[in-house]
Amino acid sequence: EDQVTQSPEALRLQEGESSSLNCSYTVSGLRGLFWYRQDPGKGPEFLFTLYSAGEEKEKERLKATLTKKESFLHITAPKPEDSATYLCAVCGGATNKLIFGTGTLLAVQP
Amino acid sequence: DAGVIQSPRHEVTEMGQEVTLRCKPISGHDYLFWYRQTMMRGLELLIYFNNNVPIDDSGMPEDRFSAKMPNASFSTLKIQPSEPRDSAVYFCASSSGTGGQPQHFGDGTRLSIL
Repeated sequence: EDQVTQSPEALRLQEGESSSLNCSYTVSGLRGLFWYRQDPGKGPEFLFTLYSAGEEKEKERLKATLTKKESFLHITAPKPEDSATYLCAVCGGATNKLIFGTGTLLAVQP
Repeated sequence: DAGVIQSPRHEVTEMGQEVTLRCKPISGHDYLFWYRQTMMRGLELLIYFNNNVPIDDSGMPEDRFSAKMPNASFSTLKIQPSEPRDSAVYFCASSSGTGGQPQHFGDGTRLSIL
């Protein structure tokens, strides 16, 4: 069964304190691993898609990496506006279904 | 470009009433997805459509839930009769192409059943 586990559940950082969020997954035939950001009262906002082990994507202070078993979302020198819940999802096999993790709630304090 | 548009944003109703949630996908997207998000279970896929045809409704919790997509620019999710345990945030998302393409989400409908 396809499964996604995110850790930690919550993370509190000081502004400028870099860290990483983890997404471990099991899926048959990965078609894509997706990172989303969700702000309170909003829908998930797409950040990155990774397709194969070794791939990396960057956007501002965020960098996503992928191995055969997990993905990391690295946050470099975060700012308070980076505070949000970060969701990881995988799509595998012959379906178009996304399986989501439960997310990491990130709080960046000034 | 306009994103996925959902209405209403908030709905409060009494148990037993019919609830209809609406979604307009991004123009040109041929996949449409309905999700439910709760604190306990996170984001769960309820049903998805391809070219207006339901493909997988295995996530629909009960026969009280139904979804339709009469055309490429409109979909509804209906709950009849509603129950307090249906209270959640319901999201609609759309995408183009196959499973490797990202889904783009609306801002959801927060549903409260009293």
